[in-house]
Amino acid sequence: GVSQNPRHKITKRGQNVTFRCDPISGHTALYWYRQSLGQGLEFLIYFQGNSAPDKSGLPSDRFSAERTGGSVSTLTIQRTQQEDSAVYLCASSLELGQGAHGYTFGSGTRLTVV
Amino acid sequence: GQQVMQIPQYQHVQEGEDFTTYCNSSTTLSNIQWYKQRPGGHPVFLIQLVKSGEVKKQKRLTFQFGKTKKNSSLHITATQTTDVGTYFCVEQVDAGGTSYGKLTFGQGTILTVHP
Repeated sequence: GVSQNPRHKITKRGQNVTFRCDPISGHTALYWYRQSLGQGLEFLIYFQGNSAPDKSGLPSDRFSAERTGGSVSTLTIQRTQQEDSAVYLCASSLELGQGAHGYTFGSGTRLTVV
Repeated sequence: GQQVMQIPQYQHVQEGEDFTTYCNSSTTLSNIQWYKQRPGGHPVFLIQLVKSGEVKKQKRLTFQFGKTKKNSSLHITATQTTDVGTYFCVEQVDAGGTSYGKLTFGQGTILTVHP
């Protein structure tokens, strides 16, 4: 499946954090979502092959993401704030918009900013 | 942007009772997906509906896409405690849009089942 680490991250406000996502082998599309407590999923960014990523969901310039070699992706939050506390979910799919088999989500990284 | 509205927000049922959640959009949807998220877990894909009026079944679950492709429903017959979780209907932007592939999640329906 989709592997994410760490599972949990507690950080002090103002610190930088980076999360990692290993998608399913062969999946060309990769997505990042954020889920605040009791809320739905908020789209952040997606990658498709070598195309420029869709960053339209990133809430501020403190958020950035990379995908190297079309596989592993990292999501970085700089100068964390308390409102960044949430579960950050990564998902992958066979190709962009491939819906027939759905998107496979990882278990997420729970970020707590204190 | 497009947004799907899901009702009810919460549903409490006794084990054995039926359950239905509805998803509505003001615009025509290219397709709709349904996901289930168990408490403390991550969303798991259930099904995708594409055709107008489409009905699909998975054991006790029945999924329907409206004839206008502006609404969808998920019906569970004779709920079990294992059905507990949040059910999301999810819109995928039309292939002609620049954000194709971006899933838009509704707020979900939280189902609790009392044994």
